Amino acid sequence: KNQVEQSPQSLIILEGKNCTLQCNYTVSPFSNLRWYKQDTGRGPVSLTIMTFSENTKSNGRYTATLDADTKQSSLHITASQLSDSASYICVVSAKGGSYIPTFGRGTSLIVHP
Amino acid sequence: KAGVTQTPRYLIKTRGQQVTLSCSPISGHRSVSWYQQTPGQGLQFLFEYFSETQRNKGNFPGRFSGRQFSNSRSEMNVSTLELGDSALYLCASSPRDRDNNEQFFGPGTRLTVL
Repeated sequence: KNQVEQSPQSLIILEGKNCTLQCNYTVSPFSNLRWYKQDTGRGPVSLTIMTFSENTKSNGRYTATLDADTKQSSLHITASQLSDSASYICVVSAKGGSYIPTFGRGTSLIVHP
Repeated sequence: KAGVTQTPRYLIKTRGQQVTLSCSPISGHRSVSWYQQTPGQGLQFLFEYFSETQRNKGNFPGRFSGRQFSNSRSEMNVSTLELGDSALYLCASSPRDRDNNEQFFGPGTRLTVL
């Protein structure tokens, strides 16, 4: 069964600090992995998309890594800001006829001043 | 470019009723996907439409259906509403299809079933 597990479930950090969110998946055959940021009451916003051949991708202060061998991904946030407070969702899609994305439950990040 | 728009933003229905939600994708986008988000289950894929054809469907009962029009606008319908259908329904559009393409989400429709 395709699964995506995210950790930690929630995280509280101080403004200016760095943090790393984890995503482990069992989706196969792998097509791509996406990280989304979702502010409360709003739709998710895409941060990065990575395919099998990519092992790192950056979007400003957000850097995602992918290890396709161990089926792990991480999202690193540098110099956090109050506006980074949100839910971060990892989504993995499989190749093939039944192209159904599998979502992680998300990591809730709170950045305190 | 205008973003993805969804109407209505909020909806209250009672059990047994049916509901139709609307999604207008970004201009030029031909793929529209629908998702259900609940606190208990998180985000779950409902279905995807591309050029008026349903390409994929998630594991939801037949009460959930959708369609896409020639202008790429999409609607989803839920019949015989149940309390468990209370959720945020999100749609997302892509230029071509979801394969390795960025999806742009709308703000969602908050459905409450009483």
